[in-house]
Amino acid sequence: EVQLVESGGGLVQPGGSLRLSCAASGFAFGSYGISWVRQTPGKGLEWLSYISSSSETIYYADSVKGRFTISRDNAKNSLYLQMNSLRDEDTAVYYCAKRRDGYMDYWGQGTLVTVSS
Amino acid sequence: DIVMTQSPDSLAVSLGERATINCKSRQSVLYSSNNKNYLAWYQQKPGQPPKLLIYWASTRESGVPDRFSGSGSGTDFTLTISNLQAEDVAVYYCQQYYSTPPTFGQGTTVEIK
Repeated sequence: EVQLVESGGGLVQPGGSLRLSCAASGFAFGSYGISWVRQTPGKGLEWLSYISSSSETIYYADSVKGRFTISRDNAKNSLYLQMNSLRDEDTAVYYCAKRRDGYMDYWGQGTLVTVSS
Repeated sequence: DIVMTQSPDSLAVSLGERATINCKSRQSVLYSSNNKNYLAWYQQKPGQPPKLLIYWASTRESGVPDRFSGSGSGTDFTLTISNLQAEDVAVYYCQQYYSTPPTFGQGTTVEIK
């Protein structure tokens, strides 16, 4: 069974940093690209970043470029999102999602990030 | 970025009836070299992550009931739920993966009338 489990969310002050993790199991993690997607009540679903299977290709949304860094450790079946210079508008539920041919076939349960003073 | 617009924002349908959700992309998501529409549909129930229903605009994901069907091409797409069941109450999203960044519609809430 494919499982993606996010962790690392929490309350952080504006300007602060947070590192999210996504632990994968049930599939050949090192063979698939993975994305981070966030969801807010106001803006709905927003794709943030993508990393290919061996990290050779990385993309970011303009809204997080220069502030967020995606990475992965295939030996640990894990994906990461380093989030710096956090803003109020980064408050959201953050999902990791396995990518297949461009669409996302499995999603984690999400981790809540709240940016507030 | 390709803007995706869904309609309606919400709809209420009687059990056993049909629900129709529309999704329009501001530019075509049909890739001419392979004649595939880079369009997916997801279902999200309260407190759960999105679940993939349909990809390539009309291919049902494994395990998805056949009352869910997708159609359309180019810029106009439809998700149809035939014989609506109580467990189909959810928010439905379309998503284009034709170009980066992948973008989602705003969502359509389906309720029971």
